[in-house]
Amino acid sequence: DAGVTQSPTHLIKTRGQQVTLRCSPISGHKSVSWYQQVLGQGPQFIFQYYEKEERGRGNFPDRFSARQFPNYSSELNVNALLLGDSALYLCASIRTGYNEQFFGPGTRLTVL
Amino acid sequence: QKEVEQDPGPLSVPEGAIVSLNCTYSNSAFQYFMWYRQYSRKGPELLMYTYSSGNKEDGRFTAQVDKSSKYISLFIRDSQPSDSATYLCAMSGGSTGANNLFFGTGTRLTVIP
Repeated sequence: DAGVTQSPTHLIKTRGQQVTLRCSPISGHKSVSWYQQVLGQGPQFIFQYYEKEERGRGNFPDRFSARQFPNYSSELNVNALLLGDSALYLCASIRTGYNEQFFGPGTRLTVL
Repeated sequence: QKEVEQDPGPLSVPEGAIVSLNCTYSNSAFQYFMWYRQYSRKGPELLMYTYSSGNKEDGRFTAQVDKSSKYISLFIRDSQPSDSATYLCAMSGGSTGANNLFFGTGTRLTVIP
């Protein structure tokens, strides 16, 4: 079974631009979460989606948005990028009926 | 006060040593406790998952949860150089929801051959 996949692996953007990150969960998992991990820190919760509906939102500005598709894949969008948005963005696939979260390799975003 | 406190280390031990990693937390509603291992520039890998208080063992790894003290631990027996990584504790539960994980900052471990 394939694990969680994320694309792209790396991304370089400039301030003010917009970015879209993509995630495919483990087959059979219907819920995904997104996290931001700044260098030297633990991941911080951004969003959770289950069956295409938002089920949780962390303390992030409205520049951050997400959605989930019928095949349970998900996109995270960040508008008006700031230097402080530079981080590793992680997608977690949540085992249906449990709370175990399995992370993908992440997308490393650099904002110049 | 942070929700989860974790000593960032770094921690260096000789091969074969027993490693003890710890986290404390402030939210008494947390019920789900996890330990992740993260290699440099990679995503976190789930090592241990525990619900409520008690011990759980999986091979060389033992996770302990003491909810009365708001303290969780991960023990690694017979540590190997391949265990060198950053270890993150994570927890969830209560009004913030079961799937909103709160992480510690991570402890960087080096096992010296």
